[in-house]
Amino acid sequence: DVKVTQSSRYLVKRTGEKVFLECVQDMDHENMFWYRQDPGLGLRLIYFSYDVKMKEKGDIPEGYSVSREKKERFSLILESASTNQTSMYLCASRPEQGGQPQHFGDGTRLSIL
Amino acid sequence: AQKITQTQPGMFVQEKEAVTLDCTYDTSDQSYGLFWYKQPSSGEMIFLIYQGSYDEQNATEGRYSLNFQKARKSANLVISASQLGDSAMYFCAMRGPRYNQGGKLIFGQGTELSVKP
Repeated sequence: DVKVTQSSRYLVKRTGEKVFLECVQDMDHENMFWYRQDPGLGLRLIYFSYDVKMKEKGDIPEGYSVSREKKERFSLILESASTNQTSMYLCASRPEQGGQPQHFGDGTRLSIL
Repeated sequence: AQKITQTQPGMFVQEKEAVTLDCTYDTSDQSYGLFWYKQPSSGEMIFLIYQGSYDEQNATEGRYSLNFQKARKSANLVISASQLGDSAMYFCAMRGPRYNQGGKLIFGQGTELSVKP
């Protein structure tokens, strides 16, 4: 089974802090994604990566950056956390072949105080 | 632009009965994929079932089946013989072509299903 592991289930940080959310997958997938989930808005794509050191902006990249130095690891960085970044963050990965689902991690509930 | 619409914010079903969760989609692409995910209160997203736009047969996975009506652009999820553990949020999602942001998933707003004993 595919395993996508997010480093924290719950995280509390303060405004202005630099926050790192880590995601690791064990299936050698090329593609990795970061989404945020908010009530009434569903899941929205922040960034994705299709290869090591390759990244592209999603629909809501403002205030975020990402890093993919190794194929299995995709990090989301909040450069200077703000209260409107309080949300549920979900990492996903999938192989390049068509028709394959994205597999998600358990999510990180991030609160910015 | 691609869009997924789930019109049922919440639904109730009696244990052991079947339930249909509605999903309609909008896309101008010829090649796309449709997915259903389950999200329990614990938060993880669990993949349930997939239907490709060129698949002629409706997808089935155990108690889950996808009623795919391409002309109507609908992809309803049918859960047979509901169980208490089926209580969760259910999301319909669509994946477009690879060139569209890596084949990102576009999600509907979800339907919260409650199974009554």
